[in-house]
Amino acid sequence: QVQLEESGPGLMQPSETLSLTCTVSGFSLTSNGVGWVRQPLGKGLVWMGTIWAGGSTNYNSAVQSRLSISRDTSKSQVFLKMNSLQPEDTGTYYCARHRPGFDYWGQGVMVTVSS
Amino acid sequence: DIQMTQSPSVLSASVGDRVTLNCKASQNINKYLNWYQQKLGEAPKLLIYNTNNLQTGIPSRFSGSGSGTDYTLTISSLQPEDVATYFCFQHNSWPTFGAGTKLELK
Repeated sequence: QVQLEESGPGLMQPSETLSLTCTVSGFSLTSNGVGWVRQPLGKGLVWMGTIWAGGSTNYNSAVQSRLSISRDTSKSQVFLKMNSLQPEDTGTYYCARHRPGFDYWGQGVMVTVSS
Repeated sequence: DIQMTQSPSVLSASVGDRVTLNCKASQNINKYLNWYQQKLGEAPKLLIYNTNNLQTGIPSRFSGSGSGTDYTLTISSLQPEDVATYFCFQHNSWPTFGAGTKLELK
């Protein structure tokens, strides 16, 4: 069955670079897109970016200058890297299959940015 | 970016009630509208895709409708397990979510 699982550090300091990994199973990254969605605590959902089946990427303009999404298809992994972290980047980060629209989601990883 | 406005922000209803949640887009989204349910501490779950298509495994008491800029999620008979926050989402252009409707039991 389709599964996604996020992993990464829970606590970051301001100005650091966040690195998250999404490991997928039950589908191929060469046939499906995977996106990242952020949710600040107690707030709504914001699409951050997507890597598509062909390897191209699209990013939300609000974070485009700081964000990079890549993948390793041999390991069924998608990576998020975001630099210059600020406290407002605190939240739960989800990866989800992007089909278009997100149909399957990981459980999310909580990231706190604090000094 | 297309803005998605959900109403109401909080809805209190009783078990068995028919419940309607609204979502309005800032421009025509051509029925590329999904609904998600998010329970406390859980990831969002896809309920409805492309306005009125029920995702596999979702109870038939959930239904969606709409066109143009106005969309609706209806729960025909509210159950206790439906307590959650519901988000609409458009994928007609760069993806955007609504702010959510929190559904509570009265």
